[in-house]
Amino acid sequence: QVQLVESGGGVVQPGGSLRLSCAASGFSFTTSGMHWVRQAPGKGLEWVTFIQYDENTKYYSDSVKGRFTVSRDNSKSTLYLQMNSLRAEDTAVYYCAREGSTRAIHAFDIWGQGTMVTVSS
Amino acid sequence: QSALTQPASVSGSPGQSIAISCTGTSSDVGSYNFVSWYQQHPGKAPKLMIYEGSKRPSGVSNRFSGSKSGNTASLTISGLQAEDEADYYCCSYAGTNTLVFGGGTKLTVL
Repeated sequence: QVQLVESGGGVVQPGGSLRLSCAASGFSFTTSGMHWVRQAPGKGLEWVTFIQYDENTKYYSDSVKGRFTVSRDNSKSTLYLQMNSLRAEDTAVYYCAREGSTRAIHAFDIWGQGTMVTVSS
Repeated sequence: QSALTQPASVSGSPGQSIAISCTGTSSDVGSYNFVSWYQQHPGKAPKLMIYEGSKRPSGVSNRFSGSKSGNTASLTISGLQAEDEADYYCCSYAGTNTLVFGGGTKLTVL
């Protein structure tokens, strides 16, 4: 069935690094744009980054630009998020999601279950 | 990018209709018809309910509808049901290849 499964979350100290993975199945990953969206505990959703199907186009929110890097391996149907220089305010559940619109990024139509990242000393 | 503005909470009785507003600016909601809405139950991932302002994905009940006027988008839920109780988020394309979410609205079915 259509599925996104995130992994790689955990506890990391401020200034540390972590790499998240998102394994896709049940749909054409190689032709899908993909996002990472996060949600701090008890808070709302925040868009983090987008990568086009061919990895040629990447967008980042101002809050993570220069610290986070999105990438993908279409041969493995897997999306990645490399997070460096982590801060306490990066603590959140991180979701990967598929872009469902063919016109403009704005519609996350498939979501994973999320993976928790905690930045704490 | 500042978050879109949503009411913190709304409530309604079963069978009634409610509307959740999502107010942005002329740089996001007001300039683009790329607004989406999400339903999130506690401990679950969000679910896409509306995209491109008013389109429903396959499988979403026609009790859910979306609209926009100026800088404000709205999600209307008619014939409220107990299972509609959840948090709802709007999201808009904000130009320069960025997206912005609303702060979320907690819907209580009385």
